[in-house]
Amino acid sequence: QVQLQESGPGLVKPSQTLSLTCTVSGGSISSGDYYWSWIRQPPGKGLEWIGYIYYSGSTYYNPSLKSRVTISVDTSKNQFSLKLSSVTAADTAVYYCASIYVWGSYRGAFDIWGQGTMVTVSS
Amino acid sequence: SYVLTQPPSVSVAPGQTARITCGGNNIGSKSVHWYQQKPGQAPVLVVYDDSDRPSGIPERFSGSNSGNTATLTISRVEAGDEADYYCQVWDSSSDHHVVFGGGTKLTVL
Repeated sequence: QVQLQESGPGLVKPSQTLSLTCTVSGGSISSGDYYWSWIRQPPGKGLEWIGYIYYSGSTYYNPSLKSRVTISVDTSKNQFSLKLSSVTAADTAVYYCASIYVWGSYRGAFDIWGQGTMVTVSS
Repeated sequence: SYVLTQPPSVSVAPGQTARITCGGNNIGSKSVHWYQQKPGQAPVLVVYDDSDRPSGIPERFSGSNSGNTATLTISRVEAGDEADYYCQVWDSSSDHHVVFGGGTKLTVL
């Protein structure tokens, strides 16, 4: 059973870059069965999709964040990462990593989620 | 971009049936997924592909999708079902993008 765990700083200064890592256990990030994704949730608000990556390195980003987001994968460590640049207080949120099952042209739901990590943007 | 509309809140008495809607233009042509999120916890998938349930999700949770509205139905509601519920689809205008609804707070009276 695949499990996901986020890690990274809980506090980031305005204008700096937020960096988070998601470690995949119980399965291989290179299996080709999943898209590996980041989702965030500001306090008291709804879910916002940030983007996802396939093990091959193909990435897809939310158009509203695309200019500031980079998602990468490290197959040797079974991890994928998020970098969000030029952060402001509006980027304060719980950040989740999650997986989407894929098979051929089929793309499913976010079936596995990490526990989430709170990131606060403040000086 | 594609927009999903959910009512902010739904209230139901224990033992009754709760219906949470998710509106979108011709949403019946898409696959809709539903997530349950309890306070302080990560979301959990409760229905996928309109009406399928992941392993471990009670049969009380069901889904339907037609026309411009998808519906998550929770039968015989229990106090433990009180949570936020989100619908999600893939954006057909950009086939690789994900869209979430704004979420619905289910209150068990």
